[in-house]
Amino acid sequence: AQSVAQPEDQVNVAEGNPLTVKCTYSVSGNPYLFWYVQYPNRGLQFLLKYITGDNLVKGSYGFEAEFNKSQTSFHLKKPSALVSDSALYFCAVRDQATDSWGKFQFGAGTQVVVTP
Amino acid sequence: SQTIHQWPATLVQPVGSPLSLECTVEGTSNPNLYWYRQAAGRGLQLLFYSVGIGQISSEVPQNLSASRPQDRQFILSSKKLLLSDSGFYLCAWSASSRTDTQYFGPGTRLTVL
Repeated sequence: AQSVAQPEDQVNVAEGNPLTVKCTYSVSGNPYLFWYVQYPNRGLQFLLKYITGDNLVKGSYGFEAEFNKSQTSFHLKKPSALVSDSALYFCAVRDQATDSWGKFQFGAGTQVVVTP
Repeated sequence: SQTIHQWPATLVQPVGSPLSLECTVEGTSNPNLYWYRQAAGRGLQLLFYSVGIGQISSEVPQNLSASRPQDRQFILSSKKLLLSDSGFYLCAWSASSRTDTQYFGPGTRLTVL
């Protein structure tokens, strides 16, 4: 079974400060990990993913995430937040042992609020 | 490049009325297709997925159904809507590899009154 947790319902940060959105996962095999962002009344936009290789993954809009196998975490980070980063962020996991059709397990989402 | 379309963008329907939401993908062939529902602007619930024409799997029991009449077309239907069917419906596609990303459409906001 696979599961993912986003422990914070909301993260508040001032513009220009570092932004971190936390994600931890549980899988029986090795994980494939994804981050998405959702703006109000819009679909989810893909930000980045970890499949294998370098633990630090760089994605769209200046975001990056670090895969930590020992802590089973995949936290999303941005060095300097913008007001336009205010949105709902989702972490998702797939177990490598799952069927090829690719069921994702999504976290509950973290609302990011960046204040000017 | 690939694009995914959903329509309508918004829909208001009375309880007991039928439903048909459509999703189409362009620029790829034989995609995996998915229907999700998002309630209260938060968690995503996988409703149906399809790995090919006529192949539909349901994740949760409900009064909704899905069909895939063409390779890149995915339809979500109901014969009689319930109040609890209100929500934001998202279609997504992916290639068939386990490592492939799911890409989402713009969504349909359904309100059942």
